[in-house]
Amino acid sequence: AQSVSQHNHHVILSEAASLELGCNYSYGGTVNLFWYVQYPGQHLQLLLKYFSGDPLVKGIKGFEAEFIKSKFSFNLRKPSVQWSDTAEYFCAVEEGGSYIPTFGRGTSLIVHP
Amino acid sequence: DAMVIQNPRYQVTQFGKPVTLSCSQTLNHNVMYWYQQKSSQAPKLLFHYYDKDFNNEADTPDNFQSRRPNTSFCFLDIRSPGLGDAAMYLCATSRDSIDEQFFGPGTRLTVL
Repeated sequence: AQSVSQHNHHVILSEAASLELGCNYSYGGTVNLFWYVQYPGQHLQLLLKYFSGDPLVKGIKGFEAEFIKSKFSFNLRKPSVQWSDTAEYFCAVEEGGSYIPTFGRGTSLIVHP
Repeated sequence: DAMVIQNPRYQVTQFGKPVTLSCSQTLNHNVMYWYQQKSSQAPKLLFHYYDKDFNNEADTPDNFQSRRPNTSFCFLDIRSPGLGDAAMYLCATSRDSIDEQFFGPGTRLTVL
């Protein structure tokens, strides 16, 4: 079965620090990749997605992620975090065409002002 | 605004007392999902509907049932809640396999 690993469970940063959250998956075929974010008290919402094309994907609020097929990875990055980025971040991987994503367990990010 | 709505946001029930959680959507998406999420864990897919076709995950307990009377509504029935069923229940929708999921705010279930 497909598995998704988010190795950083808790990350604490100061404002303006750079962020990279890891996501690795196990499926060897075609995949659709997602990062979702859940701000405190809010519902899960899409941050960015990759289906095909340029492996460097830009999302909302200055986030980007890079799909590296050879490493089965889809790491999330932001060059300079803000206090408002404090949230839970979930990576999700969908076997191509299945419409059934598998979620990682999430990374809790706290950004200190 | 088009959205996914879940009611109630908080539900308290007693051990063994049936409970129903509801989800509605105005997105007209054909796929609807129910997830269970416990603290510090990944959302766990319980089942999903592709149009009217019901798909149960292999490890979803029989205690959990679902109904989708029409495109807009989907219900999660927990026939005999146990203490281990206390969790956040998330409803999500998507448009076939070409789109991301849209989530509702969740219903937090407490079992006393």
